[in-house]
Amino acid sequence: DAKTTQPTSMDCAEGRAANLPCNHSTISGNEYVYWYRQIHSQGPQYIIHGLKNNETNEMASLIITEDRKSSTLILPHATLRDTAVYYCIVKGTAGNKLTFGGGTRVLVKP
Amino acid sequence: GAVVSQHPSRVICKSGTSVKIECRSLDFQATTMFWYRQFPKQSLMLMATSNEGSKATYEQGVEKDKFLINHASLTLSTLTVTSAHPEDSSFYICSAKGDRPRYEQYFGPGTRLTVT
Repeated sequence: DAKTTQPTSMDCAEGRAANLPCNHSTISGNEYVYWYRQIHSQGPQYIIHGLKNNETNEMASLIITEDRKSSTLILPHATLRDTAVYYCIVKGTAGNKLTFGGGTRVLVKP
Repeated sequence: GAVVSQHPSRVICKSGTSVKIECRSLDFQATTMFWYRQFPKQSLMLMATSNEGSKATYEQGVEKDKFLINHASLTLSTLTVTSAHPEDSSFYICSAKGDRPRYEQYFGPGTRLTVT
């Protein structure tokens, strides 16, 4: 599975949109981009995933560039409860494994 | 999303004893379950993958005789840490995945193991 690169940390203002970038320049054609988050001392929570089209659900939007080498997770209106480590993971369809990198530590401030 | 539970949420055991952690998928059948370990301020590390009714596949460096995994049913997997040592103290997290394409991998809340 392709490797991802994310900023180590970022701060966001409560009520504003939070845009979390992820680079995955070696992604291959059948690999999906997944986003999970982990709130302190809890198990990871699935957020969203996509292949090449932009995706939106009740939690977030996922914007994937046309060349698929990068993506952005958008939390439309960040709340204090969105403070967590956000993981961007690339995974193919054949395997089941999720390989977690360092993620981005997001701190939402009042 | 789907619900995965773990029990216990916290456990303290003495060095040399064994401890069992349960992972249950509550509202779907989990054909595959995964066990991760997470040390403080680090990311999750996959320990093993188990498919219902078959032996677990362990990641490189994970001792299969020390971390016994049983996935006897489609809703239950157990991880037994045998002869625990203080260095086994960690946050153990399971995840489960169904056999339908729309079922993503869902994670349990984790078990904090402290070996004294």
